[in-house]
Amino acid sequence: SSDLTQDPAVSVALGQTVRITCQGDSLRTYYASWYQQKPGQAPLLVVYGETTRPSGIPDRFSGSRSGNTASLTITGAQAEDEADYYCNSRDSSGNHRVFGGGTKLTVL
Amino acid sequence: QVQLVESGGGVVQPGRSLRLSCAASGFTFSSKNMHWVRQAPGKGLEWVAIVSSDGTSKYYGDSVKGRFTISRDNSKNTLDLQMNSLRPEDTAMYYCARERSGWTGDYFDYWGQGTLVTVSS
Repeated sequence: SSDLTQDPAVSVALGQTVRITCQGDSLRTYYASWYQQKPGQAPLLVVYGETTRPSGIPDRFSGSRSGNTASLTITGAQAEDEADYYCNSRDSSGNHRVFGGGTKLTVL
Repeated sequence: QVQLVESGGGVVQPGRSLRLSCAASGFTFSSKNMHWVRQAPGKGLEWVAIVSSDGTSKYYGDSVKGRFTISRDNSKNTLDLQMNSLRPEDTAMYYCARERSGWTGDYFDYWGQGTLVTVSS
């Protein structure tokens, strides 16, 4: 089992807003980062430090945290956003890293 | 530009060993912590191991601790993963990833394309 919990699947209508969540006690202490992975590709960093987008990531991607839950929000989802999304942080020991189980996003 | 290129994957029998390598370029390798992350077919990402920038600190995921060893050669800009006593459940794509750390925490900013390991008799 993962220290970080994600919903397995989420769907969103084209152009609408979707929130993907990641829950875990370690998120109260350590920052979350988010990764997008499309079939056959390596993961791509989309948000780090809970809220910061790397250069080149569209501004429709945003991150936030409340308590022990980190969230990735896509405002105005596009067809190309259909992918698996993973959160990552440190575990409660602080020495290990841990991924959430992943959320498969379908854009309808 | 930053490049991470994994190699060494293949088909191996259960109980045997395999060594993966990751060649890094485009950045000061000796200044970055490095990780291995794996993904079993159709499954999610699993963190495997980390080695500190100077190679002195290493941590492992529970599923590989005692069987896998992470190492690096800063003179050659290479990251390795020695995998012993392999099991069918170790079958996965193995990625090396660079860690970036700072006041916004730590995260994986660059990934290789992965090398596939299949453990099967």
